Amino acid sequence: KAGVTQTPRYLIKTRGQQVTLSCSPISGHRSVSWYQQTPGQGLQFLFEYFSETQRNKGNFPGRFSGRQFSNSRSEMNVSTLELGDSALYLCASSFSGTRSNEQFFGPGTRLTVL
Amino acid sequence: GENVEQHPSTLSVQEGDSAVIKCTYSDSASNYFPWYKQELGKRPQLIIDIRSNVGEKKDQRIAVTLNKTAKHFSLHITETQPEDSAVYFCAATQEGTGANNLFFGTGTRLTVIP
Repeated sequence: KAGVTQTPRYLIKTRGQQVTLSCSPISGHRSVSWYQQTPGQGLQFLFEYFSETQRNKGNFPGRFSGRQFSNSRSEMNVSTLELGDSALYLCASSFSGTRSNEQFFGPGTRLTVL
Repeated sequence: GENVEQHPSTLSVQEGDSAVIKCTYSDSASNYFPWYKQELGKRPQLIIDIRSNVGEKKDQRIAVTLNKTAKHFSLHITETQPEDSAVYFCAATQEGTGANNLFFGTGTRLTVIP
């Protein structure tokens, strides 16, 4: 089975711009979660999508949004970029069955905001 | 929400020695505790997990213990090897509630000295 994939792998943007990141989960997985990883804050949960619906949300401002498509692929959007948004953005997929929380991570998108 | 604390933040051991990483959690409803290993520049990978209905789980040189009463869990690596060098993250969440977000500790950088 192919693993979780994320595109692009690297992005450089300037303050005020917006960015869209993409995540393709493992085939058959219906849940996609997004995390922000920074040296200072570690891994922080952004939101989770399941069957095209946002099921859970972390404590991030409304500039961070996402969506999920019918094939379970998910996108994350950050508008009005700030310097502090520079981070590694990881998505993780899971089957979300009885043992719902075994999550498998993608390689991440490293976003640099200048 | 859940708060996970992880200690130590850095750990150096001689090859062949054991390494122990400890985590505490705050929400007594948490029932699923995975551990992830993240090598430099790579994605976090699930190495072992434990659910609240068991107190210990082993997989070759890796073991995890859980004390529900004290709300802490630990990762034990025996006979450490240089390839064990990485950052290790503990996490906690409630499984089966429809919430699929992991609350992570801040990570432990393990260095195994040959």
